[in-house]
Amino acid sequence: GDSVTQMEGPVTLSEEAFLTINCTYTATGYPSLFWYVQYPGEGLQLLLKATKADDKGSNKGFEATYRKETTSFHLEKGSVQVSDSAVYFCARRVIQGAQKLVFGQGTRLTINP
Amino acid sequence: SAVISQKPSRDICQRGTSLTIQCQVDSQVTMMFWYRQQPGQSLTLIATANQGSEATYESGFVIDKFPISRPNLTFSTLTVSNMSPEDSSIYLCSVERRPGSYEQYFGPGTRLTVT
Repeated sequence: GDSVTQMEGPVTLSEEAFLTINCTYTATGYPSLFWYVQYPGEGLQLLLKATKADDKGSNKGFEATYRKETTSFHLEKGSVQVSDSAVYFCARRVIQGAQKLVFGQGTRLTINP
Repeated sequence: SAVISQKPSRDICQRGTSLTIQCQVDSQVTMMFWYRQQPGQSLTLIATANQGSEATYESGFVIDKFPISRPNLTFSTLTVSNMSPEDSSIYLCSVERRPGSYEQYFGPGTRLTVT
C-alpha cells in the first residue's frame, strides 16, 4: 500500500552544519510529496511540497527534490540554525480514494549552538 | 493558509468518560480530517469528515468510538468515547484549504490524557 519511510532519529547537529533527512515512498503512481514541520509546542506546518518528478520544493532554506528513479524526497538544508530544532514529517498523497495523506514516522532534529 | 482553532487545547479525563473536541476554521472548506498522534509517534488518520455526509473512517477506527459531526463548512467535532489510557494522544484536525492541492493545514491539536 501507500507508505512513507523516514530516516530514524533523533538527529543532533551543530549550528551551521549541513542537514539531510532521508525519506522514501512506495512507488504506486506519482503522488504529491510533502514535508511538514512540528516546532516544540506547536501544530504541524506545511514546510514544502513537490507534485511531480524532478520538482524541487523549497522554503526557509530547506529543499527537497522529487526523485522518481530512487522514489525519494530527502530534505536538505545547507546551514541549520538552532531555531530549526523540531520534528520533521515526510508525507505522501494516497493515490486511491480521497485526498488523504500518509505520514512517515517523523524525525526529531536538535541543533546545538 | 487557513486559521484553525481547536478546543479544548488539553484535558485530563477519567477512564470511561467521553470528550468532544471542536475544530473551527476561518473559512468554508469541503474536507476536514481528524488525526491522532500518540506519544512519540507519527500521525494516523482517524476519519475524513465532509459536510452533509457520514464521516469516512480509516481501518481500525469505528464510529461508535469516535463519532464525528460536521454540521457546516467551517466546523467539526470529534468525540472520543468511553476513554481508556490508550486513548491518551494529541488529536488534530486539518483541512484542505484549496481543493485538489492536497496541502493540509493543521489545527494546534488537543492533548488528551486519560487516567
